[in-house]
Amino acid sequence: GDSVTQMEGPVTLSEEAFLTINCTYTATGYPSLFWYVQYPGEGLQLLLKATKADDKGSNKGFEATYRKETTSFHLEKGSVQVSDSAVYFCALSDGGRRALTFGSGTRLQVQP
Amino acid sequence: DTGVSQDPRHKITKRGQNVTFRCDPISEHNRLYWYRQTLGQGPEFLTYFQNEAQLEKSRLLSDRFSAERPKGSFSTLEIQRTEQGDSAMYLCASSLEGGEDTQYFGPGTRLTVL
Repeated sequence: GDSVTQMEGPVTLSEEAFLTINCTYTATGYPSLFWYVQYPGEGLQLLLKATKADDKGSNKGFEATYRKETTSFHLEKGSVQVSDSAVYFCALSDGGRRALTFGSGTRLQVQP
Repeated sequence: DTGVSQDPRHKITKRGQNVTFRCDPISEHNRLYWYRQTLGQGPEFLTYFQNEAQLEKSRLLSDRFSAERPKGSFSTLEIQRTEQGDSAMYLCASSLEGGEDTQYFGPGTRLTVL
C-alpha cells in the first residue's frame, strides 16, 4: 500500500539557517504530494502541493520539488524564522483514493 | 470564519460511554473526510463522504464507529462503548470536487477516554 516516510525530529535550527526536511514515498499510481504544517495549538494547514513529476510547490518561502525518479518531495527553506517552529507533515493522495496518507511528522524548533 | 469547524474541541469520557462529534465543512465543499491522529503520529484516514454518500471506510473504522452526513452538509462521528485506545484527536477535512480538490482541515476534537 501507499506510505510516506519522513525524517525523524526534532530538528533544531538557529534563526536564518537553511532547512531541509526529507520525505520519500511509496505509491502504486501517480500521486499528488503535499506538505501540511501544524502550528502549536492549531489545526493542520496546507503549506504547498505538487501534482505531477518535476512540479515545484512553493509558499511562504518554503519549496518542494516532486522527484519521481527518487520518489521524494523534500521540504526546503533558505532562511528559517522562529515563527516557523511547528510540526511538518508530508502526505500523498494516490489516484482514485481520496484519502491522504501522512508521514509521522517532523517537529521543527527554531531558536533565536 | 468560513473554515471547517468541529464541536466539541475537547471531550473527556469514561470507558464504555458513547460520544458523538460534529463537523461543519466549508459551505460549498461536497467532500468530507474524517481522520484520527494519535500523539506523535500523522493523521490516519477513517472515512470519506461525497455529498451524503459514504464512499470509503478504513479498516480502522471498527463496528463501534459510525459516521453520517444525512443532508450532505455537516457530519457526525459516533463512537460507541469507548475504549482507552480511542483516545486521540479526531480531525475533519473538506474539499470541493473538481479543480484542486485540496483538503482543508478543522481544528479537531480531542477525545480522552478515562
